[in-house]
Amino acid sequence: AQSVSQHNHHVILSEAASLELGCNYSYGGTVNLFWYVQYPGQHLQLLLKYFSGDPLVKGIKGFEAEFIKSKFSFNLRKPSVQWSDTAEYFCAVNGGGSNYKLTFGKGTLLTVNP
Amino acid sequence: ETGVTQSPTHLIKTRGQQVTLRCSSQSGHNTVSWYQQALGQGPQFIFQYYREEENGRGNFPPRFSGLQFPNYSSELNVNALELDDSALYLCASSFPVGEQYFGPGTRLTVT
Repeated sequence: AQSVSQHNHHVILSEAASLELGCNYSYGGTVNLFWYVQYPGQHLQLLLKYFSGDPLVKGIKGFEAEFIKSKFSFNLRKPSVQWSDTAEYFCAVNGGGSNYKLTFGKGTLLTVNP
Repeated sequence: ETGVTQSPTHLIKTRGQQVTLRCSSQSGHNTVSWYQQALGQGPQFIFQYYREEENGRGNFPPRFSGLQFPNYSSELNVNALELDDSALYLCASSFPVGEQYFGPGTRLTVT
């Protein structure tokens, strides 16, 4: 069965600090990878996705993620965070014949202090 | 383009009762997936509907059931509610493969 691990439960940064959120998944077959964000009081929104091709993918609001197949990882990065990036971030995966469902990690709460 | 909508926003039910949650998919999408998000957890897949048929199911008991209508809207029904069913229920619409777009959710509280 697929599983997703997000290493950090809560990350606290100051504005302008760099961000990296870890994500590892368990499935060894072909996978599609996603990062979703949930801002306070809002619904889940797609931040970026990887299906194939360039393993470095860019998303909205200056976020990017790198797919490293050998490490089963899909870490999220941003060079300089803003207060408005305060949100919960979820890594998700589907694939391997289970294209119909997303398997999510438990999420990482990011707090950015001004 | 209309996004995914869900109703109601909040719901309070008593243990043993039944509940129906509703979802309207984003324009053009023919696939609807339902997820349960308990407090402090990531969403967990309940099931997916494609062209009015169940297209996959997660590890949820049969008292969780669903429907999809010809206009691709969907319902999630939960019978014999238990306290542990208290959660945020999310609906997501998509094409059969690809990214899913989520609605705002229905917060269900079972007392």
